Amino acid sequence: AQTVTQSQPEMSVQEAETVTLSCTYDTSESDYYLFWYKQPPSRQMILVIRQEAYKQQNATENRFSVNFQKAAKSFSLKISDSQLGDAAMYFCAYYGTGNQFYFGTGTSLTVIP
Amino acid sequence: ETGVTQTPRHLVMGMTNKKSLKCEQHLGHNAMYWYKQSAKKPLELMFVYSLEERVENNSVPSRFSPECPNSSHLFLHLHTLQPEDSALYLCASSPGQYSNQPQHFGDGTRLSIL
Repeated sequence: AQTVTQSQPEMSVQEAETVTLSCTYDTSESDYYLFWYKQPPSRQMILVIRQEAYKQQNATENRFSVNFQKAAKSFSLKISDSQLGDAAMYFCAYYGTGNQFYFGTGTSLTVIP
Repeated sequence: ETGVTQTPRHLVMGMTNKKSLKCEQHLGHNAMYWYKQSAKKPLELMFVYSLEERVENNSVPSRFSPECPNSSHLFLHLHTLQPEDSALYLCASSPGQYSNQPQHFGDGTRLSIL
């Protein structure tokens, strides 16, 4: 089974500042997909951003971008211009040839006004 | 987003009770999932249904019994649960089991076992 590691249980960021959430994974596959999901308190888990492993270009969605380092098996999420609504639990997820999603333990992000 | 709806949102039950969790998706997806989310642990995949057939069961105790009567509905029947079963149970759907498309999640049911 694949493993996904999020080494930061909690992070905080000042409003309007930038924060980076880390994620590493373990796999022997070359073709896979990586995701970041956001789960606000008592609300649905929603997709933030997705990266295909065969693409070298880092994915970007508005204020959210990733730093995908395939050789290092690292997939960090950068949130720019942080907003209060960004406060949530963030999960990194891996999807490979096993056709199953593997999730990390999550990082709780606090945004300080 | 109301594509995946779970009821109830909260459930408190004793260890000898029998209850069911319900999940409904309005996205036209063919695959549905049950996950268990416990604090400080990765999401645990419990069951996968594809076109109403169970294709994955990750060694879940028999006190959890899934049911998928059609591609839009998924149930999780609970009986004689243990305190360690207290968690958030998430339902998700995706276009197909063999799909790398993102899963769409429901709000979850917060289950507390007394």
